[in-house]
Amino acid sequence: GAGVSQTPSNKVTEKGKYVELRCDPISGHTALYWYRQSLGQGPEFLIYFQGTGAADDSGLPNDRFFAVRPEGSVSTLKIQRTERGDSAVYLCASSLEGTSASSYNEQFFGPGTRLTVL
Amino acid sequence: AQKVTQAQTEISVVEKEDVTLDCVYETRDTTYYLFWYKQPPSGELVFLIRRNSFDEQNEISGRYSWNFQKSTSSFNFTITASQVVDSAVYFCALRGGANSKLTFGKGITLSVRP
Repeated sequence: GAGVSQTPSNKVTEKGKYVELRCDPISGHTALYWYRQSLGQGPEFLIYFQGTGAADDSGLPNDRFFAVRPEGSVSTLKIQRTERGDSAVYLCASSLEGTSASSYNEQFFGPGTRLTVL
Repeated sequence: AQKVTQAQTEISVVEKEDVTLDCVYETRDTTYYLFWYKQPPSGELVFLIRRNSFDEQNEISGRYSWNFQKSTSSFNFTITASQVVDSAVYFCALRGGANSKLTFGKGITLSVRP
């Protein structure tokens, strides 16, 4: 597609349930990022993939959160035993490649998945 | 550690007024990048500009201009002759060193009234 797509656009679940959020990056983009945006806040970094591997997962809040990118394209963010505090918009971004200290490739963001945990 | 501070939370102006959005950053990296993103009510983040730490030239793009000053660690954004369509949340962000992640400020909600 022309841009980053995310599904579903909205997800309502009950406390304790398991959810999966999907991100389809721009074709050819090797780097993929997940961010979480709580109400009234800026996006907060969760995890970054370069190809199939997680290059930086320092932003994952705890072990209930996990993400995969098995073929280096589509990524799935998985949240186990959801809690009300997990309610937020989950944003995905992709870029042509990862970055080095001397270069940068712009991150293009998707529309996000709004997760509501009741 | 990296930090981005957007002290203004909400700004309301009348159409055609000029408005400046402030951004102050903290980083220990000597090489870093600064960004501004716009988030309209639809929710999608729209990239506006990127600056690297070696380029302190100010930039103008139509009604938008950016003032980068390393001496005060600031990267301010000015909209000239604001329009209703400029109403959105604006985020300043920082990427430092070899890290790939962006660190965002809390955002500034700009409302432009007709």
